[in-house]
Amino acid sequence: DTAVSQTPKYLVTQMGNDKSIKCEQNLGHDTMYWYKQDSKKFLKIMFSYNNKELIINETVPNRFSPKSPDKAHLNLHINSLELGDSAVYFCASSQADPSSYEQYFGPGTRLTVT
Amino acid sequence: AQSVAQPEDQVNVAEGNPLTVKCTYSVSGNPYLFWYVQYPNRGLQFLLKYITGDNLVKGSYGFEAEFNKSQTSFHLKKPSALVSDSALYFCAAIYNQGGKLIFGQGTELSVKP
Repeated sequence: DTAVSQTPKYLVTQMGNDKSIKCEQNLGHDTMYWYKQDSKKFLKIMFSYNNKELIINETVPNRFSPKSPDKAHLNLHINSLELGDSAVYFCASSQADPSSYEQYFGPGTRLTVT
Repeated sequence: AQSVAQPEDQVNVAEGNPLTVKCTYSVSGNPYLFWYVQYPNRGLQFLLKYITGDNLVKGSYGFEAEFNKSQTSFHLKKPSALVSDSALYFCAAIYNQGGKLIFGQGTELSVKP
């Protein structure tokens, strides 16, 4: 009964490749997010979708493209991978109601670009 | 600029002693404040939040936090630390209804037997 799941858990790939990370939530939440955690454990939001609509789009290279086929899924596609993309990527979800803003995080996808 | 600061990279506590993990924020309006915990190789888990009301909020695993508007602080506390509390703790704030969480840099808590 995983609330927020991500696949794959580990992803090792070479520079220049294109890869995708998938995220699904079964909490019935309206809003989903992608975060990047760097090697120093610093967390930064990348994107947010509310009911399949892009809400937050931080300063992220346009090689990163989120796709939300429905409100339970938010996938992250990365083109032309670079060494600096190596990080742990977390998906999260929350209700849109301001009184319920806690976010539920997936287990993370550790991306290593060689 | 809106920011969240955790002034200590690491906090070391003996098991059974009280613990405090510090957080200060710099946001406008009425912030929503959160604490999350990250165990090794895991995602973040929600501990507690302050939206409005009582300044002392209680959360999971015996943790609590005190909202102090005058000091713009939201320190995490626990009366008696457990070895299993050892983890990375993040303070975070939302500064508008768009739900954009701003995280502090994290504090590594180490509880020794």
